[in-house]
Amino acid sequence: EPEVTQTPSHQVTQMGQEVILRCVPISNHLYFYWYRQILGQKVEFLVSFYNNEISEKSEIFDDQFSVERPDGSNFTLKIRSTKLEDSAMYFCASSEAGKGNQPQHFGDGTRLSIL
Amino acid sequence: GESVGLHLPTLSVQEGDNSIINCAYSNSASDYFIWYKQESGKGPQFIIDIRSNMDKRQGQRVTVLLNKTVKHLSLQIAATQPGDSAVYFCAEKRGGNTDKLIFGTGTRLQVFP
Repeated sequence: EPEVTQTPSHQVTQMGQEVILRCVPISNHLYFYWYRQILGQKVEFLVSFYNNEISEKSEIFDDQFSVERPDGSNFTLKIRSTKLEDSAMYFCASSEAGKGNQPQHFGDGTRLSIL
Repeated sequence: GESVGLHLPTLSVQEGDNSIINCAYSNSASDYFIWYKQESGKGPQFIIDIRSNMDKRQGQRVTVLLNKTVKHLSLQIAATQPGDSAVYFCAEKRGGNTDKLIFGTGTRLQVFP
């Protein structure tokens, strides 16, 4: 069964450093998402992406965050200058359609630890 | 990757029994709902979904019930197995021009032999 893959599984970074989290969505999917889950809290939406542009973003997704689809398979989340509070699990997801009510399929996440 | 908050509700069931996991959602405008299963160290895994024009949907060993009157969603798992042990999340999508899923806090299901 096709799946979303994320790398690395664990990233440890010094505060203030840039970090890039990588995702390979399911190949025939057109909509891509990033969510995060701070330890002990709910899964929170960050951003959705379609047709090479941001479709929707949350208030968490400030100008320190950016997303990119650099080629036909990868989808990345960049945090420019990491803060301690960015420590969380980051999940990538993809779906065949967006606002048409199709399920979003998630990867296994990247655990980001900011020191 | 699982939600390990101290206040995560837990449901303990005997292997072979049926499980019912409940979820209350907040917005009457929500039109799409998904149940996810999250095992330790993994991401949310899609189980079943339901649109707001339905009140019941069945999958393999799972049934989702939607009560829009009281804004309540439930997941029933028949003949619960040890492999069903995980944290279960409901997620809602609000109607209108939005992509984002809004997740609940999760329920931990523990299956005992």
